[in-house]
Amino acid sequence: EAQVTQNPRYLITVTGKKLTVTCSQNMNHEYMSWYRQDPGLGLRQIYYSMNVEVTDKGDVPEGYKVSRKEKRNFPLILESPSPNQTSLYFCASSSEGTRSSYEQYFGPGTRLTVT
Amino acid sequence: DQQVKQNSPSLSVQEGRISILNCDYTNSMFDYFLWYKKYPAEGPTFLISISSIKDKNEDGRFTVFLNKSAKHLSLHIVPSQPGDSAVYFCAASAQFGNEKLTFGTGTRLTIIP
Repeated sequence: EAQVTQNPRYLITVTGKKLTVTCSQNMNHEYMSWYRQDPGLGLRQIYYSMNVEVTDKGDVPEGYKVSRKEKRNFPLILESPSPNQTSLYFCASSSEGTRSSYEQYFGPGTRLTVT
Repeated sequence: DQQVKQNSPSLSVQEGRISILNCDYTNSMFDYFLWYKKYPAEGPTFLISISSIKDKNEDGRFTVFLNKSAKHLSLHIVPSQPGDSAVYFCAASAQFGNEKLTFGTGTRLTIIP
Protein backbone atom coordinates (compact mmCIF):
# COMPACT_ATOMS: atom_id res chain seq x y z
CA GLU A 1 0.00 0.00 0.00
CA ALA A 2 1.35 3.42 -1.02
CA GLN A 3 1.77 5.51 2.07
CA VAL A 4 3.64 8.12 4.08
CA THR A 5 4.31 7.09 7.66
CA GLN A 6 5.26 9.30 10.58
CA ASN A 7 6.48 8.40 14.04
CA PRO A 8 5.60 9.06 16.72
CA ARG A 9 1.95 10.02 16.25
CA TYR A 10 1.82 11.76 19.61
CA LEU A 11 4.65 13.23 21.65
CA ILE A 12 4.77 15.26 24.84
CA THR A 13 8.18 16.63 25.73
CA VAL A 14 9.86 19.36 27.72
CA THR A 15 11.57 22.53 26.59
CA GLY A 16 15.08 21.97 25.35
CA LYS A 17 15.01 18.20 24.99
CA LYS A 18 16.09 17.30 21.45
CA LEU A 19 13.65 15.21 19.46
CA THR A 20 13.28 13.71 16.01
CA VAL A 21 10.07 12.99 14.13
CA THR A 22 10.60 10.40 11.44
CA CYS A 23 8.94 10.34 8.03
CA SER A 24 9.14 7.58 5.47
CA GLN A 25 7.45 7.05 2.10
CA ASN A 26 7.31 3.90 -0.03
CA MET A 27 6.40 5.49 -3.37
CA ASN A 28 9.92 6.34 -4.54
CA HIS A 29 8.97 10.02 -4.53
CA GLU A 30 11.63 12.62 -5.11
CA TYR A 31 9.94 15.47 -3.26
CA MET A 32 9.27 15.51 0.47
CA SER A 33 8.06 18.30 2.76
CA TRP A 34 7.26 19.07 6.36
CA TYR A 35 4.32 21.24 7.42
CA ARG A 36 2.88 22.42 10.68
CA GLN A 37 -0.82 23.09 11.20
CA ASP A 38 -1.93 25.65 13.74
CA PRO A 39 -5.43 27.04 14.46
CA GLY A 40 -6.21 30.04 12.29
CA LEU A 41 -2.97 29.69 10.35
CA GLY A 42 -3.63 26.65 8.18
CA LEU A 43 -0.72 24.55 6.95
CA ARG A 44 2.67 26.21 6.78
CA GLN A 45 5.67 24.65 5.11
CA ILE A 46 8.73 24.20 7.31
CA TYR A 47 11.26 22.58 4.96
CA TYR A 48 11.18 20.71 1.72
CA SER A 49 13.52 18.44 -0.19
CA MET A 50 13.69 17.93 -3.94
CA ASN A 51 15.93 14.88 -3.72
CA VAL A 52 18.62 13.20 -1.66
CA GLU A 53 20.93 15.77 -0.08
CA VAL A 54 18.86 18.65 -1.53
CA THR A 55 16.79 20.60 1.01
CA ASP A 56 15.46 24.14 1.26
CA LYS A 57 13.61 26.33 3.72
CA GLY A 58 9.88 26.82 3.62
CA ASP A 59 7.92 29.57 5.33
CA VAL A 60 8.70 28.76 8.98
CA PRO A 61 12.10 26.99 9.22
CA GLU A 62 13.35 28.60 12.45
CA GLY A 63 13.99 26.07 15.18
CA TYR A 64 13.93 23.06 12.85
CA LYS A 65 16.45 20.98 10.98
CA VAL A 66 16.00 18.31 8.34
CA SER A 67 18.16 15.84 6.49
CA ARG A 68 17.65 13.73 3.38
CA LYS A 69 20.27 11.00 3.33
CA GLU A 70 18.00 8.42 1.74
CA LYS A 71 15.24 8.95 -0.78
CA ARG A 72 12.53 7.37 1.35
CA ASN A 73 13.27 9.14 4.66
CA PHE A 74 12.99 12.79 5.68
CA PRO A 75 13.31 13.26 9.45
CA LEU A 76 12.41 16.51 11.20
CA ILE A 77 14.74 17.48 14.03
CA LEU A 78 13.99 19.91 16.84
CA GLU A 79 17.33 20.52 18.53
CA SER A 80 15.92 22.58 21.41
CA PRO A 81 12.11 22.49 21.34
CA SER A 82 10.17 25.42 22.75
CA PRO A 83 6.46 25.74 23.65
CA ASN A 84 5.75 27.71 20.45
CA GLN A 85 6.60 24.56 18.51
CA THR A 86 3.58 22.82 19.99
CA SER A 87 1.65 21.95 16.86
CA LEU A 88 0.36 19.26 14.52
CA TYR A 89 3.05 18.24 12.05
CA PHE A 90 2.59 16.63 8.66
CA CYS A 91 5.08 15.06 6.32
CA ALA A 92 4.24 14.90 2.62
CA SER A 93 5.75 13.47 -0.54
CA SER A 94 5.22 13.78 -4.28
CA SER A 95 6.85 12.77 -7.53
CA GLU A 96 8.71 15.16 -9.79
CA GLY A 97 8.41 15.75 -13.48
CA THR A 98 4.97 17.19 -14.02
CA ARG A 99 2.62 19.54 -12.31
CA SER A 100 1.32 16.52 -10.47
CA SER A 101 4.32 16.94 -8.18
CA TYR A 102 2.18 19.43 -6.32
CA GLU A 103 -0.39 16.75 -5.59
CA GLN A 104 1.26 15.74 -2.39
CA TYR A 105 0.59 12.63 -0.32
CA PHE A 106 0.41 13.41 3.37
CA GLY A 107 1.22 11.32 6.40
CA PRO A 108 -1.27 10.95 9.28
CA GLY A 109 0.30 13.69 11.38
CA THR A 110 2.30 13.97 14.61
CA ARG A 111 0.82 15.95 17.48
CA LEU A 112 3.66 17.50 19.45
CA THR A 113 3.26 19.21 22.81
CA VAL A 114 6.24 21.04 24.33
CA THR A 115 5.83 22.02 27.98
CA ASP B 1 1.12 38.05 5.46
CA GLN B 2 -1.47 35.48 4.41
CA GLN B 3 -1.06 35.08 0.66
CA VAL B 4 -3.86 32.52 0.38
CA LYS B 5 -7.04 33.33 2.27
CA GLN B 6 -10.14 31.33 3.04
CA ASN B 7 -12.39 33.86 4.71
CA SER B 8 -15.08 31.43 5.82
CA PRO B 9 -13.85 29.27 8.70
CA SER B 10 -16.99 27.15 8.50
CA LEU B 11 -19.90 26.36 6.21
CA SER B 12 -23.03 24.24 6.69
CA VAL B 13 -24.95 22.87 3.72
CA GLN B 14 -27.98 20.62 3.40
CA GLU B 15 -27.35 17.18 1.91
CA GLY B 16 -28.04 17.18 -1.83
CA ARG B 17 -27.46 20.92 -2.23
CA ILE B 18 -24.42 22.65 -3.68
CA SER B 19 -21.46 23.50 -1.46
CA ILE B 20 -19.33 26.44 -2.55
CA LEU B 21 -15.99 27.02 -0.87
CA ASN B 22 -14.05 30.17 -1.67
CA CYS B 23 -10.39 31.07 -1.73
CA ASP B 24 -8.61 34.36 -2.50
CA TYR B 25 -4.94 34.93 -3.17
CA THR B 26 -2.72 37.97 -3.34
CA ASN B 27 0.44 36.74 -5.07
CA SER B 28 0.10 37.25 -8.83
CA MET B 29 2.96 34.78 -9.38
CA PHE B 30 0.77 31.85 -8.30
CA ASP B 31 -0.05 29.78 -11.37
CA TYR B 32 -1.25 26.45 -10.05
CA PHE B 33 -3.96 25.87 -7.47
CA LEU B 34 -5.08 22.84 -5.53
CA TRP B 35 -7.77 21.80 -3.07
CA TYR B 36 -7.12 19.34 -0.28
CA LYS B 37 -9.62 17.66 2.00
CA LYS B 38 -8.85 16.71 5.58
CA TYR B 39 -10.72 14.42 7.96
CA PRO B 40 -9.99 14.49 11.71
CA ALA B 41 -6.92 12.49 12.76
CA GLU B 42 -5.82 12.06 9.15
CA GLY B 43 -3.49 13.90 6.81
CA PRO B 44 -4.88 16.06 4.01
CA THR B 45 -5.70 14.28 0.75
CA PHE B 46 -5.51 15.82 -2.71
CA LEU B 47 -8.90 16.57 -4.23
CA ILE B 48 -8.59 18.60 -7.43
CA SER B 49 -6.28 21.13 -9.07
CA ILE B 50 -6.31 23.79 -11.76
CA SER B 51 -3.65 25.51 -13.81
CA SER B 52 -3.80 29.24 -14.44
CA ILE B 53 -4.23 28.59 -18.16
CA LYS B 54 -7.71 27.22 -17.41
CA ASP B 55 -10.73 28.73 -15.74
CA LYS B 56 -12.51 25.51 -14.85
CA ASN B 57 -11.68 21.91 -14.01
CA GLU B 58 -14.17 19.15 -13.23
CA ASP B 59 -13.81 15.81 -11.55
CA GLY B 60 -17.08 14.07 -10.84
CA ARG B 61 -19.02 16.02 -8.23
CA PHE B 62 -16.16 18.48 -7.76
CA THR B 63 -15.52 21.53 -9.93
CA VAL B 64 -12.91 24.22 -9.35
CA PHE B 65 -13.32 27.65 -10.93
CA LEU B 66 -10.50 30.15 -11.29
CA ASN B 67 -10.95 33.89 -11.84
CA LYS B 68 -7.44 35.23 -12.37
CA SER B 69 -8.43 38.87 -12.67
CA ALA B 70 -10.13 38.70 -9.29
CA LYS B 71 -7.45 36.38 -7.83
CA HIS B 72 -10.25 34.13 -6.67
CA LEU B 73 -11.00 30.45 -6.91
CA SER B 74 -13.89 28.38 -5.71
CA LEU B 75 -14.67 24.72 -5.20
CA HIS B 76 -18.18 23.52 -6.00
CA ILE B 77 -19.46 20.20 -4.70
CA VAL B 78 -22.69 18.99 -6.29
CA PRO B 79 -24.58 17.23 -4.85
CA SER B 80 -23.19 17.47 -1.33
CA GLN B 81 -23.02 14.23 0.62
CA PRO B 82 -22.47 13.54 4.35
CA GLY B 83 -19.03 12.08 3.57
CA ASP B 84 -18.00 15.50 2.25
CA SER B 85 -17.97 16.85 5.82
CA ALA B 86 -14.32 17.75 6.36
CA VAL B 87 -11.91 20.67 6.42
CA TYR B 88 -10.98 21.93 2.95
CA PHE B 89 -7.70 23.66 2.27
CA CYS B 90 -6.92 25.74 -0.76
CA ALA B 91 -3.24 25.79 -1.85
CA ALA B 92 -1.21 27.61 -4.48
CA SER B 93 2.21 27.43 -6.06
CA ALA B 94 4.33 29.79 -8.12
CA GLN B 95 6.55 28.63 -10.98
CA PHE B 96 6.97 25.04 -12.02
CA GLY B 97 9.80 23.21 -10.34
CA ASN B 98 9.40 24.97 -7.03
CA GLU B 99 8.05 22.58 -4.46
CA LYS B 100 6.78 25.38 -2.27
CA LEU B 101 3.05 25.19 -1.65
CA THR B 102 1.23 27.97 0.18
CA PHE B 103 -1.93 26.87 1.97
CA GLY B 104 -4.97 28.77 3.14
CA THR B 105 -6.36 28.53 6.65
CA GLY B 106 -9.08 26.02 5.79
CA THR B 107 -12.89 25.91 5.76
CA ARG B 108 -14.78 23.36 7.82
CA LEU B 109 -17.68 22.03 5.74
CA THR B 110 -20.56 20.31 7.51
CA ILE B 111 -23.19 18.52 5.45
CA ILE B 112 -26.51 18.32 7.24
CA PRO B 113 -28.46 15.11 6.51
